Amino acid sequence: EVVMTQSPATLSVSPGERATLSCRASQSVGSNLAWYQQKPGQAPRLLIYGASIRATGIPARFSGSGSGTEFTLTISGLQSEDFAVYYCQQYNNWPRTFGQGTKVEIK
Amino acid sequence: QVQLVQSGAEVKKPGASVKVSCKASGYTFTAYYIHWVRQAPGQGLEWMGRINPNNGDTDYAQKFQGRVTMTRDTSISTAYMELTRLISDDTAVFYCARGPSGYSDSWGQGTLVTVSS
Repeated sequence: EVVMTQSPATLSVSPGERATLSCRASQSVGSNLAWYQQKPGQAPRLLIYGASIRATGIPARFSGSGSGTEFTLTISGLQSEDFAVYYCQQYNNWPRTFGQGTKVEIK
Repeated sequence: QVQLVQSGAEVKKPGASVKVSCKASGYTFTAYYIHWVRQAPGQGLEWMGRINPNNGDTDYAQKFQGRVTMTRDTSISTAYMELTRLISDDTAVFYCARGPSGYSDSWGQGTLVTVSS
């Protein structure tokens, strides 16, 4: 199966700053990569699919890039509601696999 | 609006089975896959499999093959996930999620399944 590795495990950022999250796949997944946000006690929320396409209703401060094996989620101008855990997921190969998550915390 | 409403929390003994339901509304049920994702306490997300509500075809992660069965009832726009031979490591929140393909754009609220003797 495709192993998704996210880094860093925890990212400490001040409100208003930029956060850059990485996701690496053990083999190419093309652009079949999604990003989710999960807050404590809540279900995940889709942010990005197709590596760079924002889902409906997602603010423009969230952007995704990359293809193949290296992907990035950038959050520009972090707001209080953005502090959460972020997961990447590949859907190019079976089984679909998630990264272990990056926690974005307040610095 | 799209909604997926799951059944309530369950407590099961080791060796038992659990069946979680996921009722969809706000869209054409047969037009999107339903995926099931497991999340153990304090852990990450684990994809279990998916069902095509249009024809009932399923794809399961090998890890769950033989223990999981996904079904649907199109007359009531509801998908089901049954997991058998439960062990303590199956204690988790189980999510259903709608997906156009491999990703999921709407999620249920989650169902906590606790396996304990």
